[in-house]
Amino acid sequence: EVQLVQSGAEVKKPGESLKISCKGSGYSFTSYWIGWVRQMPGKGLEWMGIIYPGDSDTRYSPSFQGQVTISADKSISTAYLQWSSLKASDTAMYYCARGAAPADYWGQGTLVTVSS
Amino acid sequence: EIVLTQSPGTLSLSPGERATLSCRASQSVSSSYLAWYQQKPGQAPRLLIYGASSRATGIPDRFSGSGSGTDFTLTISRLEPEDFAVYYCQQYGSSTEFTFGPGTKVDIK
Repeated sequence: EVQLVQSGAEVKKPGESLKISCKGSGYSFTSYWIGWVRQMPGKGLEWMGIIYPGDSDTRYSPSFQGQVTISADKSISTAYLQWSSLKASDTAMYYCARGAAPADYWGQGTLVTVSS
Repeated sequence: EIVLTQSPGTLSLSPGERATLSCRASQSVSSSYLAWYQQKPGQAPRLLIYGASSRATGIPDRFSGSGSGTDFTLTISRLEPEDFAVYYCQQYGSSTEFTFGPGTKVDIK
């Protein structure tokens, strides 16, 4: 069974750094793109970027380029999304998903709350 | 950048009725890269349709997708109670464009 399991909810202060994770199982992790999607409270879905764990080829949506870093450790079948300096506007649910278009399996989401 | 527009914003229907959701692109989209997702409150999105008209694994046949070029449609032939949700279309336009539409909410009339 294909599963993507994300790390737990985070509460951070503005300016802090954060790295959230997405662990894949039940399939060849290095053979599928992993994407990250943001959903701000009460809003729609926004594609942030994708990574191919097989060779770490990474692409960012122009809206998120320079704002976050996507990485992966294929030895432990885990992808990451990280921020170096969080802002209140980063408060959102973040989903990882297998594939890009289409994204056929999704993680359960990680809620990130940034508040002073 | 390809922009997706979904209409209507909200669709109020009764169980058993037919739902027709529209997704329009600002430029032609390859049908191979047009997908539809369902999202219920508090849940992750679920892939319904890919390649504009192919149902994902486990998706009931009351869901169907059609269209090409700039106009795509998701049809739910007879609404079941569990179908009341938000539906998003998505396109792949380039290596950095995997745009979602703003969504259509299907709620109970």
